Amino acid sequence: DAGVTQSPTHLIKTRGQHVTLRCSPISGHKSVSWYQQVLGQGPQFIFQYYEKEERGRGNFPDRFSARQFPNYSSELNVNALLLGDSALYLCASSPPSGGSYNEQFFGPGTRLTVL
Amino acid sequence: SQQGEEDPQALSIQEGENATMNCSYKTSINNLQWYRQNSGRGLVHLILIRSNEREKHSGRLRVTLDTSKKSSSLLITASRAADTASYFCATERYNNDMRFGAGTRLTVKP
Repeated sequence: DAGVTQSPTHLIKTRGQHVTLRCSPISGHKSVSWYQQVLGQGPQFIFQYYEKEERGRGNFPDRFSARQFPNYSSELNVNALLLGDSALYLCASSPPSGGSYNEQFFGPGTRLTVL
Repeated sequence: SQQGEEDPQALSIQEGENATMNCSYKTSINNLQWYRQNSGRGLVHLILIRSNEREKHSGRLRVTLDTSKKSSSLLITASRAADTASYFCATERYNNDMRFGAGTRLTVKP
């Protein structure tokens, strides 16, 4: 079975630009979460989507937005990029459980570098 | 902001020894999970313990949870070089908010 996939694997942008990151969950998983991991730190929760609705939001500015599609894939969008947005962006999916997390399956991440 | 804090930040042991990592958190939780991450790659789920559980085992892993002290520990027995990785605790709060700690960097020397 395919795991969680993310694209692209690496991305270089300049300050002020916009970026879209994509995630495909494991087949049958309806919950997708996004995390930002700065080098040397743990992942920081950005969003959780379940059945195409936002179920949770971390402490990130409105420049960060996301959505989930009918096939449960998801996009994370970041506008007006700042140098501090450089990080590994991780997507995770969870099996159906009524919304709570249970085990999360992580993708390999997208490494974003903002110059 | 991060909810969990792992202790120690780094741990170096010899193969065959046991490794113990601790996690403290600040607010009430629904469950606590431990993950492993190798060299900045995706995280791998190790074990989940719910707030009404006190101890769980999975192979060489043993996790305890003390909700009165808001703390958890992860014990890896008979460590192997392949256990070298960063270990994170993650707490799920009741508002679907997942918080990870900063992690413990474990090095197991052959």
